[in-house]
Amino acid sequence: QQQVKQSPQSLIVQKGGISIINCAYENTAFDYFPWYQQFPGKGPALLIAIRPDVSEKKEGRFTISFNKSAKQFSLHIMDSQPGDSATYFCALGILTGGGNKLTFGTGTQLKVEL
Amino acid sequence: NAGVTQTPKFQVLKTGQSMTLQCAQDMNHNSMYWYRQDPGMGLRLIYYSASEGTTDKGEVPNGYNVSRLNKREFSLRLESAAPSQTSVYFCASSSQGQPQHFGDGTRLSIL
Repeated sequence: QQQVKQSPQSLIVQKGGISIINCAYENTAFDYFPWYQQFPGKGPALLIAIRPDVSEKKEGRFTISFNKSAKQFSLHIMDSQPGDSATYFCALGILTGGGNKLTFGTGTQLKVEL
Repeated sequence: NAGVTQTPKFQVLKTGQSMTLQCAQDMNHNSMYWYRQDPGMGLRLIYYSASEGTTDKGEVPNGYNVSRLNKREFSLRLESAAPSQTSVYFCASSSQGQPQHFGDGTRLSIL
């Protein structure tokens, strides 16, 4: 069963615009909420992550907004660039004694056009 | 470069053949993971190893076995490959409480 629902499936944004990707989850037992970026032929790479006691985190042009009561979080990419064209995955993270477990969303293919 | 190395990068198998996917990390991480990635499905956890000497099932373990050979290496074996196992397989590693680092994947086709 899919614990996290990600939308949209694909997104086209003009250069300089704002890209917004949303995720919603179904229960509250998670320790952190990361976003991963994946380029074709490569593995996912951590982009930014947030803990549930924080409502917003910003790193450069990338911002996570987190709404604990609504069980939703989103990724905002400001001033989107063609180099941002990639697939983005949200995930739900649980920190265990020996590592951490991730449940991924289904991904959003972002294309930034000139 | 330091990171997670997966071999092979590409492989084609016939139904019923067996194969082992190799993964090695040089970041001294305790935990290692195997995922599969299918179109529209995201990444799904097959097996993971929280520490050397332990392995546990993930979301989709059927048809797979794993071996944590040592701290650096974690292999995934398909005993009798099926077309439904055609996928891109990713290995990842992490230290305690830290994000996972992924390899670049093995693209596996089963005819």
